[in-house]
Amino acid sequence: EAQVTQNPRYLITVTGKKLTVTCSQNMNHEYMSWYRQDPGLGLRQIYYSMNVEVTDKGDVPEGYKVSRKEKRNFPLILESPSPNQTSLYFCASRTQGGGNQPQHFGDGTRLSIL
Amino acid sequence: DAKTTQPPSMDCAEGRAANLPCNHSTISGNEYVYWYRQIHSQGPQYIIHGLKNNETNEMASLIITEDRKSSTLILPHATLRDTAVYYCIVRPGSSNTGKLIFGQGTTLQVKP
Repeated sequence: EAQVTQNPRYLITVTGKKLTVTCSQNMNHEYMSWYRQDPGLGLRQIYYSMNVEVTDKGDVPEGYKVSRKEKRNFPLILESPSPNQTSLYFCASRTQGGGNQPQHFGDGTRLSIL
Repeated sequence: DAKTTQPPSMDCAEGRAANLPCNHSTISGNEYVYWYRQIHSQGPQYIIHGLKNNETNEMASLIITEDRKSSTLILPHATLRDTAVYYCIVRPGSSNTGKLIFGQGTTLQVKP
């Protein structure tokens, strides 16, 4: 089954403790992206990647890092999490072919930073 | 990317067609209309997209006006599981960032 898988689904942690949210897709998609969703602000793009070793900042990249060493994986790294990064996070992917292809989203990761 | 306007909420009776409107009067010639939905904080789910012509798939139909300034998503036989927030998004087919701008959407409540 074609899917985007995020782990963990839920995490409660403390300020300053490094964490990584993994994202993996099995559709051989070139493009991957991370969003965060907050009440009243909708979904906002954090980082995106057009292909392996190609990443770029979205609208709200501060406090986050990403890497794209393999086509299928696009982890989101919070080096020193802070309470304002408490949010619902989504990973998405799509093929680059045609440019207008839809994005497929994971089920989300709910992070709480205390 | 063009801005979209959707009603904040709509009700629909189970088994009836749900018609969700979207206004995108500033759409550019190379921008597609996409529809996604989000069921209770799950990941957004792609429904359908189109450029000029009407489109239909197993989930829904998309009707785009001739001037492309508005569109309607049609769920032909709404079920309780179709209760969700529906987002209408317009963006270029070849956007470098691939960013989707989700507005506030329309909360569709399907009632028994």
